[in-house]
Formats: sequence, structure tokens, C-alpha cells
Amino acid sequence: DIQLTQSPSFLSASVGDRVTITCRASQGIGHYLAWYQQQPEKAPKLLIYAASTLQSGVPSRFSGSGSGTEFTLTIKSLRPEDAASYYCQQVDNYPWTFGQGTKVAIK
Amino acid sequence: EAHLVQSGAEMKDPGESLKIACKASEDSFNNYWIGWVRQKPGKGLEWMGIIYPGDSDTRYSPSFEGQVTISVDTAISTAYVEWHSLRASDSAKYYCTRHGDYGEDSWGQGTLVTVSS
Repeated sequence: DIQLTQSPSFLSASVGDRVTITCRASQGIGHYLAWYQQQPEKAPKLLIYAASTLQSGVPSRFSGSGSGTEFTLTIKSLRPEDAASYYCQQVDNYPWTFGQGTKVAIK
Repeated sequence: EAHLVQSGAEMKDPGESLKIACKASEDSFNNYWIGWVRQKPGKGLEWMGIIYPGDSDTRYSPSFEGQVTISVDTAISTAYVEWHSLRASDSAKYYCTRHGDYGEDSWGQGTLVTVSS
């Protein structure tokens, strides 16, 4: 199975800060990576697919980059409603797998 | 975008069987892979498996193969995950998803399964 390792596992930042989350794959997955946001007590929501394509309706302050084994999710200017857990997922090889998650808190 | 509606919360005893459902409100149900994801309380997302309603092609995570059965009824645009003998460790929230372009673009609201004697 392909392992995805996210870093950090937790971060606390202020409104307006630039936030970056990294997802590293145990082997190359091309650009077959998605990012999700899960707000407390809600179902996850797709933010980014194909590593860098913004899902329809997702604010442009979110962006994704990377290919192969290293990927990043960036929030350009953090807003209070961005307090959530974020997960990466690889859809290159079965079984598809998720990273362990990054919890983002607002200072 | 598909709207996925899942069946309600369940409380079961260990050893009991269970089948939970995910109904899609769209005519193109047969044309998208439908997946299942587990989330234990306070933990991350675990990919269980996925099925293509058009031909019932099913792929499982090794962690779940043999433990659950994923199926579909195309006549009512509904996907299922089934357990034949529940364990306490199956207690979790289960989400169904629609797989779009390289990601799960629709999620059900989740079904909470509690297994306890």
C-alpha cells in the first residue's frame, strides 16, 4: 500500500496567515492526489483534485501543488472558517489511502 | 454534483449482521464509482473500498476485504456496505462517496454504527 505522511499533524495560526500543509507519498503517484477539508462534526469536502485543480465552489485562497512524492496544500490567507482537519488522499494505486490528517486551529 | 443520502444510525450487539445504505439522487448513478470511508471517533479517514455500479466491479482495501461486502442495487440507485458479524471495533461513522475526477466529489452525511453489548 502507498503510505501518505502529512506534516505537521497540528498547527495553530492567526487569521490572515499563510498556511502550508505537506503530504509525502511512499512512492511516486504522479498527480493523483486530492485534498479534503473536514470541519467539526461534518462530512469531508473535496478542495483540490489532481494535485492542483480547485474543486468548483472552493475559495481561491486554497491552492495545491506538487507531483510524484511531495505535495502541498496552501491557504493563502487563513480565515476563521478554515479551522478544520485536512486530509490528502492518493488515487493512483489501489488501495487508495488517506494521510493521517492535519488539524488547523485559529490562534 | 450527486446528492448522497445515507441510512440512519445503528446500534447493534457484537456478532449481529448489518447493512447500511447510500442512495444517490442522480440519473448517472451507473457512471461513477461509489466508495466507502470509515472514521472512528476522533480519528482520521480510512478508505474501505469502491464499486462501479455499471458492472459491480469492486475493489477493497486489504484492511477491509473479507470483513465487509460492498454492493449496489442500480434499480434504486443505492449502494450498500454489509457486515455478517459485527465487532466492537467496527464502531465508527461510515461515509459513502462519489468518485469524480481524481477525488471524492460528493459525500453522504455519514452513518454512525455503534456495536456494544
